[in-house]
Amino acid sequence: AQSVTQLGSHVSVSEGALVLLRCNYSSSVPPYLFWYVQYPNQGLQLLLKYTTGATLVKGINGFEAEFKKSETSFHLTKPSAHMSDAAEYFCAVSDMYSGGGADGLTFGKGTHLIIQP
Amino acid sequence: DADVTQTPRNRITKTGKRIMLECSQTKGHDRMYWYRQDPGLGLRLIYYSFDVKDINKGEISDGYSVSRQAQAKFSLSLESAIPNQTALYFCATSTGIYGYTFGSGTRLTVV
Repeated sequence: AQSVTQLGSHVSVSEGALVLLRCNYSSSVPPYLFWYVQYPNQGLQLLLKYTTGATLVKGINGFEAEFKKSETSFHLTKPSAHMSDAAEYFCAVSDMYSGGGADGLTFGKGTHLIIQP
Repeated sequence: DADVTQTPRNRITKTGKRIMLECSQTKGHDRMYWYRQDPGLGLRLIYYSFDVKDINKGEISDGYSVSRQAQAKFSLSLESAIPNQTALYFCATSTGIYGYTFGSGTRLTVV
């Protein structure tokens, strides 16, 4: 079974500061990893994903994440936070190799990002 | 038009009532999913379907049923709604490899 742990249900940073949202996963096979963002009263929007290949993945809105197999991590970063980044962020894993793949995504519990002016 | 459309967007219903949430997609994806979101719990999978004849239970299927009427339509039913089914419900579609597309969600309140 796969699982996702997001460290910190709330993270607060100052505008212009580094954003670091932590995600650790467990999976018995090489995973596909995703970060989604949810703005207030909206659905989920894909920020970025890792499937295979380069372990540093760049996404939308200046976000990037690095897949580290040895640490089973996929932390999300952004060099300089903007007020518009305030949202809920979800890390998710897909075990592509179970039963032909796609038994859905397993999500972490989410991290609420707060941007201080 | 949105790729994945959920109706209704908001619904308030009474305990014991039957309610159906509908999802339709124009992505042409075979795989469809229903998730529920609760504060502090993230999203949890209720049911998923690989095609019209292949429906599978997810992590939290008790109290729910689904119907895949066509490749593009996947409905979620609560046969007898209870207050702890108050949540935000999302439908999603997928090719299985290249990512998932989510609808805008249905906010359900059971009173």
